[in-house]
Amino acid sequence: AQRVTQPEKLLSVFKGAPVELKCNYSYSGSPELFWYVQYSRQRLQLLLRHISRESIKGFTADLNKGETSFHLKKPFAQEEDSAMYYCAPLSGGYNKLIFGAGTRLAVHP
Amino acid sequence: SAVISQKPSRDICQRGTSLTIQCQVDSQVTMMFWYRQQPGQSLTLIATANQGSEATYESGFVIDKFPISRPNLTFSTLTVSNMSPEDSSIYLCSVAGTGEETQYFGPGTRLLVL
Repeated sequence: AQRVTQPEKLLSVFKGAPVELKCNYSYSGSPELFWYVQYSRQRLQLLLRHISRESIKGFTADLNKGETSFHLKKPFAQEEDSAMYYCAPLSGGYNKLIFGAGTRLAVHP
Repeated sequence: SAVISQKPSRDICQRGTSLTIQCQVDSQVTMMFWYRQQPGQSLTLIATANQGSEATYESGFVIDKFPISRPNLTFSTLTVSNMSPEDSSIYLCSVAGTGEETQYFGPGTRLLVL
């Protein structure tokens, strides 16, 4: 079965520290992968997708097919990065997003 | 990206009743989806709302419990039928355009069943 794993429920760091939110998937082929973010009292929104290879708000994510991982990284965390982050592979051919359990990032001053 | 609204934003309902949630988009979209987010959990896809035909339900979700309508390319409804406290969740709709894989989400409807 297709699965996505975000092993950390909570990641707590200090402002300015590097951040890595882990995501592993078990899919065949080359899935399309997304990171969605939900800030407090806001709707779920797209942060980035791997195919675009963009850096959004200082975040990047590299697809590692060998490790089947799509970890989200930022070199220097900011307090405004505090939010819930979801890794979501797209189930190929069906436009179905499969959401991970989510990781809450807390950035402390 | 499309502007998506949901009504109601929240509701408190009695068990055994039904609630219909509306999702409105400001532009025509090909794909519309309904998700559930139970307390403290991640999002789970309920169904894909198909314009002009029956919705496609995911495993564990059935039409009798979650009937869905999609009369046109900008609007869909999800009904939560014969509610029980276990249906207390946030219900979200999302949309994607033709050929697009990125989904955009509505603000959600927070439902509490007593």
